[in-house]
Amino acid sequence: DQQVKQNSPSLSVQEGRISILNCDYTNSMFDYFLWYKKYPAEGPTFLISISSIKDKNEDGRFTVFLNKSAKHLSLHIVPSQPGDSAVYFCAASFLLGYSGAGSYQLTFGKGTKLSVIP
Amino acid sequence: NAGVTQTPKFRILKIGQSMTLQCTQDMNHNYMYWYRQDPGMGLKLIYYSVGAGITDKGEVPNGYNVSRSTTEDFPLRLELAAPSQTSVYFCASSYSKNTGASTDTQYFGPGTRLTVL
Repeated sequence: DQQVKQNSPSLSVQEGRISILNCDYTNSMFDYFLWYKKYPAEGPTFLISISSIKDKNEDGRFTVFLNKSAKHLSLHIVPSQPGDSAVYFCAASFLLGYSGAGSYQLTFGKGTKLSVIP
Repeated sequence: NAGVTQTPKFRILKIGQSMTLQCTQDMNHNYMYWYRQDPGMGLKLIYYSVGAGITDKGEVPNGYNVSRSTTEDFPLRLELAAPSQTSVYFCASSYSKNTGASTDTQYFGPGTRLTVL
């Protein structure tokens, strides 16, 4: 069963417009959510995150919104630029709890390929 | 700062062969991870380590082994390779402050593309 779902495999947006990438999760124990961006032949790179105690986090052109009651989060990119074209992964985490130490196993969605058209 | 490096970049194995995927990080991170990404899928955790000498299984550990003898290195061993292990393998690392409510960012290597024929 897929605990983190990105139902749109791809999205095309005109340069300068808003890109909205969506993510749904089923495990209510998840308490931290992240977005990673991946270019071809590279590893994922961290983009932005949000804790379950917040409903919005903003970093420059990137904003993540969290709706806990709907178990839904979204990533907004405004304005979209051609360099934003990549695969975006939504990830969720919960405490591993190994010997009381804090770290997170990340559960990833399948990704959404964003294409920003000049 | 090289970050997380992985070797090799590509490898083709025959069924039943063995190999070790190398991963090294130079950020003095205490946590390290191995993920695999199958085509059209998200990344799945194979094994992780919270420090030298300490490893534990992730979601999909069968067919793999790991060791962590140093902070920097976290090799992944494939024994008796099978076609189902054809995938892209990513190593990652993070620093945990051990404060419970961790918000550690994981830093990923560029990946190793493995094909088993």
